Amino acid sequence: QKEVEQNSGPLSVPEGAIASLNCTYSDRVSQSFFWYRQYSGKSPELIMSIYSNGDKEDGRFTAQLNKASQYVSLLIRDSQPSDSATYLCAVNKGAGNNRLAFGKGNQVVVIP
Amino acid sequence: DAGVTQSPTHLIKTRGQHVTLRCSPISGHKSVSWYQQVLGQGPQFIFQYYEKEERGRGNFPDRFSARQFPNYSSELNVNALLLGDSALYLCASSPGTGMNTEAFFGQGTRLTVV
Repeated sequence: QKEVEQNSGPLSVPEGAIASLNCTYSDRVSQSFFWYRQYSGKSPELIMSIYSNGDKEDGRFTAQLNKASQYVSLLIRDSQPSDSATYLCAVNKGAGNNRLAFGKGNQVVVIP
Repeated sequence: DAGVTQSPTHLIKTRGQHVTLRCSPISGHKSVSWYQQVLGQGPQFIFQYYEKEERGRGNFPDRFSARQFPNYSSELNVNALLLGDSALYLCASSPGTGMNTEAFFGQGTRLTVV
């Protein structure tokens, strides 16, 4: 079982719609969770961090964490063409280091 | 403020050669981590350094080594390059090693082994 799984294939959404991305993780001791956005040919850019169960909103982005079910999700409201990118879910298991385990990413394409 | 800077941005090497990649973290950050990202996959953890000490090592062969300097900059060295080492190498900077610590990536070094 992979540490972090993002199983959805490419996601196409119309401009203005909501994009929903999901991520599951295998290790229950995981404590911190992050979403990174990566444009093609570029490096990952941190867009959200979440540490407690529930929702966290930042602008058009909402991260949701459910530790009991071991999943994290990201909602992008009012999707824009500039949101077209790969979104990487990352989990930090803590224990004195901040080694991040990443999923393989989900590609989002926003159609004007 | 300058972000995380990596050099060089692109590099082409021949199989069997050695390569050194460099990273300068964000000012005030004491932790540097290295990741390898191959096409179509998420980044894979290679090393983490904090205050010049190795704090974590991923599942990579001994051909990979790293160090951190007193100014918190870091080098990643790869010996005896293989074609499979072709990847984007990412350096991540963070203030420390606490649990809820955000990591910020540099622009990466694209290594091509031919």
